[in-house]
Amino acid sequence: GQSLEQPSEVTAVEGAIVQINCTYQTSGFYGLSWYQQHDGGAPTFLSYNALDGLEETGRFSSFLSRSDSYGYLLLQELQMKDSASYFCAVRASYNTDKLIFGTGTRLQVFP
Amino acid sequence: DGGITQSPKYLFRKEGQNVTLSCEQNLNHDAMYWYRQDPGQGLRLIYYSQIVNDFQKGDIAEGYSVSREKKESFPLTVTSAQKNPTAFYLCATYQGGNQPQHFGDGTRLSIL
Repeated sequence: GQSLEQPSEVTAVEGAIVQINCTYQTSGFYGLSWYQQHDGGAPTFLSYNALDGLEETGRFSSFLSRSDSYGYLLLQELQMKDSASYFCAVRASYNTDKLIFGTGTRLQVFP
Repeated sequence: DGGITQSPKYLFRKEGQNVTLSCEQNLNHDAMYWYRQDPGQGLRLIYYSQIVNDFQKGDIAEGYSVSREKKESFPLTVTSAQKNPTAFYLCATYQGGNQPQHFGDGTRLSIL
């Protein structure tokens, strides 16, 4: 089967750094995406890794190791507004861009 | 103003009734997708379409139907055969290459 595993919940305080891990097992792999979703809202794109290594976008960074079938999202200088659910998603097909989503990690940021 | 418009925001279905969720986009993206999200869960693919007049089943297509008569529109019908339709439904588009999928604001469907 195809599966992505993420921790169900992470808590942190404002200003801290948090890492959300994602391990995957899929029949095809063309990249790993990260999305943020606030309660009741639409997922918004954060970051994408097609190759091994670190991608940095402002306070957010994402890492991929294809040999370990593993990636993570790193959030720095946490703010209250970062409280949301974070999903990793594997791009399982290049031509159709079919995405397989993890079950999400709920991040709660406390003052 | 470019984007993806899903309507209605909230929808209620009676037993045995078919309902149709609208998804319209003006991004000129070829590919469109429908996902279902249950509480505390990730997104699961229902149907997708890469070009007009063509669509493919996703992982959970049973009880759903779609059409793609225009590039801008990809409506989803939740049929009476879908016995557990209560969920959050999200429409997405894809431009191609390494671009991400973009999502609409979703439709929340409940059973009366």
